[in-house]
Amino acid sequence: RKEVEQDPGPFNVPEGATVAFNCTYSNSASQSFFWYRQDCRKEPKLLMSVYSSGNEDGRFTAQLNRASQYISLLIRDSKLSDSATYLCVVTYGNDMRFGAGTRLTVKP
Amino acid sequence: NAGVTQTPKFQVLKTGQSMTLQCAQDMNHEYMSWYRQDPGMGLRLIHYSVGAGITDQGEVPNGYNVSRSTTEDFPLRLLSAAPSQTSVYFCASNAQGGGLGEQYFGPGTRLTVT
Repeated sequence: RKEVEQDPGPFNVPEGATVAFNCTYSNSASQSFFWYRQDCRKEPKLLMSVYSSGNEDGRFTAQLNRASQYISLLIRDSKLSDSATYLCVVTYGNDMRFGAGTRLTVKP
Repeated sequence: NAGVTQTPKFQVLKTGQSMTLQCAQDMNHEYMSWYRQDPGMGLRLIHYSVGAGITDQGEVPNGYNVSRSTTEDFPLRLLSAAPSQTSVYFCASNAQGGGLGEQYFGPGTRLTVT
């Protein structure tokens, strides 16, 4: 079983749609949680950290459920520019574990 | 600031050849790391360093060596290339330590081993 699992997608949605991605992790001692965005053939870039209380950054909302070992990312009012692969990241000490990513395509 | 830079961008090696992937950062970050990214696998940590003179193994260290003689540079050496090492390699740096704060990634090196 992978340590961090994501639905690979692809998710194909129209502009303006709301889309949600889920991620589960196996290490219950994991300490920090992030979502990264990776455009095609580019390096990953931090989208947002994920806190237990949930957090929002504009159209993006991240949630963490430690009891269920589950992280989510909600994107509202999707834009064409949101098309990318979204990587779930879970850390323990210096060890960062990445999910394989969920691919999103937003269509006009 | 240039951020994290990597050279070369592309490389083709024959099985058994050795080479060094270069990585440098100008943000004065103590923590640096190397990842490989394969289709369907996500990024996997190869080696990391928490400061000059200190390195440690990550999840998939076999076949790779690293050293950290300065804060800025963290080269990755492939000792004897194998087709299984065909991958995209990313170097990253972090001001706070591997599990905290933002990882800044370089643009990647696409390596093919034939």
